[in-house]
Amino acid sequence: DAGVTQSPTHLIKTRGQQVTLRCSPKSGHDTVSWYQQALGQGPQFIFQYYEEEERQRGNFPDRFSGHQFPNYSSELNVNALLLGDSALYLCASSFGGAGWVQETQYFGPGTRLLVL
Amino acid sequence: AQTVTQSQPEMSVQEAETVTLSCTYDTSESDYYLFWYKQPPSRQMILVIRQEAYKQQNATENRFSVNFQKAAKSFSLKISDSQLGDAAMYFCAYRSGMNYGGSQGNLIFGKGTKLSVKP
Repeated sequence: DAGVTQSPTHLIKTRGQQVTLRCSPKSGHDTVSWYQQALGQGPQFIFQYYEEEERQRGNFPDRFSGHQFPNYSSELNVNALLLGDSALYLCASSFGGAGWVQETQYFGPGTRLLVL
Repeated sequence: AQTVTQSQPEMSVQEAETVTLSCTYDTSESDYYLFWYKQPPSRQMILVIRQEAYKQQNATENRFSVNFQKAAKSFSLKISDSQLGDAAMYFCAYRSGMNYGGSQGNLIFGKGTKLSVKP
């Protein structure tokens, strides 16, 4: 049973560029959440997708956007990259959307983004 | 807004000994879930244990157990018979049990505790 997968594992970009990160949820899961983890910090919630819609958003600017596809996979896009966007980006999947608040979120291995 | 505090940036334990990691949280909600996640150097965030706030009984998973004190808003993790593979960052996390605006809810994390295990 495949767990949550993310690609790429590492990425180097320069300021002002745009980046797309990808996530495939655990088999049977339909809800995807994205988190940003700065060095030495706990993860911070970016947004959550269910049924191809953004259901909840954390305190992140509009430069951060996402998408969920019919197969439940998801993308995180960041435009106009800043040095402060350098972080580990974690994807987490779970089942059931809003009606299943008790469901545990399972994390992928993350994508390490470095902005120069 | 809910907050999670881990007051121990680093902890150390001897192999085979027991260690307790502390976590406190602040919330006005009565229905919520608490989690401990482990993040080894490989970066993969792994669920260690979860606790439902409505359950009085403390959760246990093999060598891992929690001490959940709802009134004190405290949620500590005890690791018994520590092993070298337990060395990692440990994050305490909170999630609301309420369904806000069609979302399943997000995790709110503490800053983590780095656990070292000495052979």
